[in-house]
Order: sequence, then structure tokens, then C-alpha cells
Amino acid sequence: DAMVIQNPRYQVTQFGKPVTLSCSQTLNHNVMYWYQQKSSQAPKLLFHYYDKDFNNEADTPDNFQSRRPNTSFCFLDIRSPGLGDAAMYLCATSRKIGSEKLFFGSGTQLSVL
Amino acid sequence: TQLLEQSPQFLSIQEGENLTVYCNSSSVFSSLQWYRQEPGEGPVLLVTVVTGGEVKKLKRLTFQFGDARKDSSLHITAAQPGDTGLYLCAGGYNQGGKLIFGQGTELSVKP
Repeated sequence: DAMVIQNPRYQVTQFGKPVTLSCSQTLNHNVMYWYQQKSSQAPKLLFHYYDKDFNNEADTPDNFQSRRPNTSFCFLDIRSPGLGDAAMYLCATSRKIGSEKLFFGSGTQLSVL
Repeated sequence: TQLLEQSPQFLSIQEGENLTVYCNSSSVFSSLQWYRQEPGEGPVLLVTVVTGGEVKKLKRLTFQFGDARKDSSLHITAAQPGDTGLYLCAGGYNQGGKLIFGQGTELSVKP
């Protein structure tokens, strides 16, 4: 049974057209993360929520925003997607910050035309 | 800057061969995790090592954490095509902070 679910699996958007990716979890974990991953590279952390506390990485562009309306759901909003934003977007959860293992969703592959 | 250097970056071998992937850092980690990611999927945790010098085995995979907890290795014996994927190491700290990922090793095992 999937514990971290991402929808959709594939998303196509147009240059500059806002897009929202969604993630839900059944683990009741406190922490939810959004990672960007480009082909055959390590995931790059964009931001994370510890409960309702939002933590942005210093090098995450303002174009990327996130919302966590409740424990189970987290959204990634890309306000004006550029061609360079085409990537796999991975949602992950953990019980707490630090050396806890991450549970990843299957990802959303975003294409920007 | 905390860095995890993973090598090699790419590895293409024949079925039945052995291989080792290395993960090195100048930082001391509380724990070191290894993930495997298949194409089009999210990473899945293989193992966590927490004690310096620790060795863990998972079927044909052997994981080792360095004595000083700064490095780790993953050894695969008699690789199979099903081992193909991206292998990621990630270092963590008990006192908090994000996991630090290595650059990944793209493994291709040809039949």
C-alpha cells in the first residue's frame, strides 16, 4: 500500500503557466519535504514543513511555493514555470528532522513546453 | 559546506560482476543511509548504518560505515540486471538538520 502518494505522475504545463503538484501521506509523519531531481542526479531539497513550520532552502527560487493545509497533504506551486524547471519532483516524509529515514513518493515528472 | 562525494558517478558492468560504490565526506555523520531509485520512481531506503565500523548485509549487498563515520561503501556481489538503478547515499545528524545526499551512482547491469 502506497504511503506517500503523489499526483499526477506526469504533468505537462506551458511556459509561464502556474502548476500545482500534490502529495498526501498516510504515515502521520510530522515532516514533509519537496525535492527537485534532474536526470541521474541527487534530489535537491527545495523546502520542508515540520508540522506547520515552513523551512525554505536558501537557494530555492521564489518561483516555488508550498502549502500544507493539514498533516496529510502538501502542495508544490510553481508560479511561472520555466524550461529549466522541467524535472522530477519528489515528495518525502519523515517522523522528525535529522537522521530519520525518508519515505518517498513515486514522484511527478514535470514537462514544460 | 557539508559534502558527500560519491564515486563512481556512472558504472556499467556485465551480469555476474562485483562492484563497489563509495561515499566519502570530511564531516562526521550520526548515520548514513543508502537508497536505491529505479527509473520513474522515488528512492527507496536500503539500509541505515549508525555505528563506526558497522557492516550490514542485505542479500548480495554489503554496506559498511567507516570507523570515523565519515565514509561508507556499498558492495554488490554477482550483480544482476535487477540491480540497475541510481544508488544514493545520504548522511544525517541526530541533532537535526537536513539529510545530505551524495551525487548518486548510476548503475547499469547488462545481461
